[in-house]
Amino acid sequence: EVQLVESGGGLVQPGGSLRLSCAASGFTFSNFWMNWVRQAPGKGLEWVANIKHDGSAKFYVDSVKGRFTISRDNAKNSLYLEMNSLRVEDTALYSCASMERWGQLQAWGQGTLVNVSS
Amino acid sequence: DVVMTQTPLSSPVTLGQPASISCRSSQSLVHSDRNTYLSWLQQRPGQPPRLLLYKISNRFSGVPDRFSGSGAGTDFTLKISRVEAEDVGVYYCMQATQFPWTFGQGTKVEIK
Repeated sequence: EVQLVESGGGLVQPGGSLRLSCAASGFTFSNFWMNWVRQAPGKGLEWVANIKHDGSAKFYVDSVKGRFTISRDNAKNSLYLEMNSLRVEDTALYSCASMERWGQLQAWGQGTLVNVSS
Repeated sequence: DVVMTQTPLSSPVTLGQPASISCRSSQSLVHSDRNTYLSWLQQRPGQPPRLLLYKISNRFSGVPDRFSGSGAGTDFTLKISRVEAEDVGVYYCMQATQFPWTFGQGTKVEIK
């Protein structure tokens, strides 16, 4: 069974940092692109970033460029999102999603909540 | 960025009746590889999103055939032939033709 389990969320002050993790199981992690998608409370979905199978390519939404870094460790079947200079508007549920073929976000985790507040 | 606009934002439907959601993009979603990377996702209450359709009209594994997709270029439609109680939720279109990938605002399907 495919499983994606996020962790690392929490309450952080504006300007602070957090590192999110996504533990994958039930599929060959190293064959998949991986994505982070966020959802602010009561709002819609926003794609944040993704990373190629081997980590050689990474893409970000403009609002997080220079502040967030996506990475992965295929030996540990894990995806990460390093978030720095956090802003109130980064408050959201952050979910990881796997992608075997382009544009198909086929499996999702339950998400981890990031709350940026003073 | 490609703006995705869904209509309606809310769709009250009678059980067993059809439902239709429109999604319009601000630019053509035809990729240089000639594919159109438009997908539809369903988010049931309290659940993560679930992929329904990809490349406009291809049903993902396990998706019932009452869900269908159509369209081309900038105009796309998701149809549910006969709405069932389990179809309640928010439906999103998403484009993966151009970075950053973008979603529509979501359409809430509820039972009348």
